[in-house]
Amino acid sequence: AQKVTQAQTEISVVEKEDVTLDCVYETRDTTYYLFWYKQPPSGELVFLIRRNSFDEQNEISGRYSWNFQKSTSSFNFTITASQVVDSAVYFCALSAPTSGTYKYIFGTGTRLKVLA
Amino acid sequence: EPEVTQTPSHQVTQMGQEVILRCVPISNHLYFYWYRQILGQKVEFLVSFYNNEISEKSEIFDDQFSVERPDGSNFTLKIRSTKLEDSAMYFCASSEYRGRIEAFFGQGTRLTVV
Repeated sequence: AQKVTQAQTEISVVEKEDVTLDCVYETRDTTYYLFWYKQPPSGELVFLIRRNSFDEQNEISGRYSWNFQKSTSSFNFTITASQVVDSAVYFCALSAPTSGTYKYIFGTGTRLKVLA
Repeated sequence: EPEVTQTPSHQVTQMGQEVILRCVPISNHLYFYWYRQILGQKVEFLVSFYNNEISEKSEIFDDQFSVERPDGSNFTLKIRSTKLEDSAMYFCASSEYRGRIEAFFGQGTRLTVV
């Protein structure tokens, strides 16, 4: 079975603090893809990053960085020097070819509140 | 930049009424999806569509739901007889798949059943 766990329901930080959002996944597939999406209060899903299972290189994009570790089945997301505009719900998602359709399995999301 | 477009952004309907949610996927994409997000909960897969037929559906996608690609551009989700528990945000997504696996999501349609 495929599963994504985001154990942190809600995190509050003060602006300029660093924050890490955890994501743990389960799949039996050897080829799979991991994603992070941001959902601001307006409700849309904003794509942040895709990672495939055979590329464990960590990635940095501005204040965002991602740590993918197959050994622990984790794909964590760090925001450095958080800003109020980062306040949103963040979803981690898994896509694998088990069913052939590459549907997304989403975690329950982490609500990030950045306080000024 | 190409985007997935959904209409309407918000729809209020009475219980028992039929609703059709519309989506225009990105033009060269081949795979189409509907997802649902009940307020405050996670995003859940409903159905995937490829080559003019359903390729997979979830347990949520019962006989009250149907999807259609009536022409070369639109992708619709129909709920035949809405229930209060159908109130949710519905997201359409499309992906190119060959070479680009990430799905692009529309902005969502908030359906409220009263």
